[in-house]
This record gives sequence, C-alpha cells and structure tokens, in this order.
Amino acid sequence: QSALTQPPSISGAPGQRITISCSGSSSNIGSGYGVRWFRLLPETAPKLLIYNQNNRPSGVPDRFSGSESGTSASLSISGLQAGDEGDYYCQSYDTTLHFWVFGGGTRLTVL
Amino acid sequence: QGQLVEFGGGVVQAGTSLRLSCATSGFTFSSYGMHWVRQTPGKGLECVAVIWYDGSNEYYAESVKGRFTISRDNYRNTLFLQMDRLREDDTAVYYCARMNDDFWGGWLDPWGQGTQVTVSS
Repeated sequence: QSALTQPPSISGAPGQRITISCSGSSSNIGSGYGVRWFRLLPETAPKLLIYNQNNRPSGVPDRFSGSESGTSASLSISGLQAGDEGDYYCQSYDTTLHFWVFGGGTRLTVL
Repeated sequence: QGQLVEFGGGVVQAGTSLRLSCATSGFTFSSYGMHWVRQTPGKGLECVAVIWYDGSNEYYAESVKGRFTISRDNYRNTLFLQMDRLREDDTAVYYCARMNDDFWGGWLDPWGQGTQVTVSS
C-alpha cells in the first residue's frame, strides 16, 4: 500500500488533455515537501517532469504541468501525443515514515 | 547536468550478497545527497536508501533495513549499495539518482540507466 495513491491507468486520444491524480496526506503532500513527477519508459532512465509545484526541467515541453492543493497533486498533459505513453509516478517525502515515497504509478495509453 | 552509470547487477541466489556501484561525472559529487531507487514489476518505484552529501547520514526503507548498506567515495565520485542476505523480492532494476536542492523535499535528477538484480531461489 503506497503512501501516495494514483490511478493504475489512464488513456486519452491524440490531442486530448489528461490529468493524473496523486492523493496523499498531511504527512507527505500536505506537509509542505511538495510533489515531483517522473516518467518511466522501458530500458531508459526515469525522467523528471515536474518539481516544486509546477517547474519543468529544461527539455520538458510546456504541455506538461503540475498542481498541488492540500493533500493532493496532479499532472496534466495537454495535446496528447503517442510518444507520451509510459508509466508516470508522483513522489514526495513522508514525515511520518521519515522516508521518501512514490505513488504506485499510472500507465498512460494514447489511443 | 551530470551523468550516472550503475554497475554490478546480476543473477544471484537468495541469501547471498551483491554490491552495486554508481559512477558519476559532470558535477561536484561531494555536494549532493544521493538515492538508490528500485523498480519492481509489481510494486513500481521504491526508494531504497539515501545518503547525505558527506556520507554522515544514511536512511533506509524498512524492507531493506539491516540488510543493505549505502556508502560513497567522494574521491572517486562513486556511490555504492552493499546488498546482503538477498531475497527474491529484492529482484528489481536498481537506479541511482542525484538529489537536488532541499535534502528532504528536493528532486531526483539525473538518474542512471539502471542495473538489473535478479535473486533466484
């Protein structure tokens, strides 16, 4: 049981906008330590997509955006492309567990 | 930006040991906290062990506490993960990653490409 809860899967058509949710608690997302978002593809290094609420590393297109509110966070992808398929994870620090935690991951399928 | 390359994965029997290495370049290794994160097919990503920039503090997931040891050599710019008493559920791809900004709430970037560890019975 992950400290952060994500839907196991989500799908969308090319060009559509989708939002992946990440539900936590006052011990992690709500503690002020914030959320980071990563994408995993087979045989490649995990890639940071969003940090510090809605900051994108260089090279991540502005189609990707993040938001946080209370004990939840979300990652939105607009103008969905086939190349956006993959597994997406949220991550935070948990003050009760005194350790870093990931969500269970969400598999994005572009129809 | 920096580069990270993991070494040392393989197929081992349960109860044995393995030592992973993470060679880094392109940044001042001794200034950053570092993480080992693993990916298992059934459980997704899991932070396994974390070490301060100077090696003075270490943190472990409950699932590996007492069996795994994280360490670093700031002269050789290398991170290590000593894994003892391996179990089948330690089977995973192991990644090293650099922690940026705040040690607790910062972000992991970059990551290595991962090394596969398979533990058989």
